[in-house]
Amino acid sequence: AQKVTQAQTEISVVEKEDVTLDCVYETRDTTYYLFWYKQPPSGELVFLIRRNSFDEQNEISGRYSWNFQKSTSSFNFTITASQVVDSAVYFCALSVIIRDNYGQNFVFGPGTRLSVLP
Amino acid sequence: NAGVMQNPRHLVRRRGQEARLRCSPMKGHSHVYWYRQLPEEGLKFMVYLQKENIIDESGMPKERFSAEFPKEGPSILRIQQVVRGDSAAYFCASSPGWDGGDTEAFFGQGTRLTVV
Repeated sequence: AQKVTQAQTEISVVEKEDVTLDCVYETRDTTYYLFWYKQPPSGELVFLIRRNSFDEQNEISGRYSWNFQKSTSSFNFTITASQVVDSAVYFCALSVIIRDNYGQNFVFGPGTRLSVLP
Repeated sequence: NAGVMQNPRHLVRRRGQEARLRCSPMKGHSHVYWYRQLPEEGLKFMVYLQKENIIDESGMPKERFSAEFPKEGPSILRIQQVVRGDSAAYFCASSPGWDGGDTEAFFGQGTRLTVV
């Protein structure tokens, strides 16, 4: 069975601090994709990153960076120099193949609520 | 992503009424997914559709819920005889198709259903 765990329910940091959001996934598939989405208070889902299971290179995009480690089945997300606008719920998701390679499905973690205080 | 249009954004229904949620996928996308987000929870998969076909409905409640994606027009998630427990945000996502590879799904802004 596929599963995504985000052990941190809520995190509070003070502006300019660095913060890491943890994500651990479970799947028996050898080919899969990992995602991070941001859900601000307005409620929409904002796509942040997609990573496939064969690419373990870490990625940096501005203040955001992602650390993918297959050995520990983790895909952690770090925000450097956090800002108040980063306050949101962050979801990690796993995309798995369904029905004999006929499509994909997303399994979401429960989310981590990040509050960045001024 | 603004390309996937869901309407209405907010829907209020009394217990026992029907709720119809619409999702227009991005142009050129033939795959639609519906997810439900209960308050303070993550998104749970409900159903995956292609044009005129339901591919996977393993996440759909057995009763009162149905979904369709006709040849023409938006995908519809229909909830009959709504109950308070149906109150949630319903998200639709679309993707261009499946080529066995790297496919991103784009999410709509969601429909927030409140049952009173």
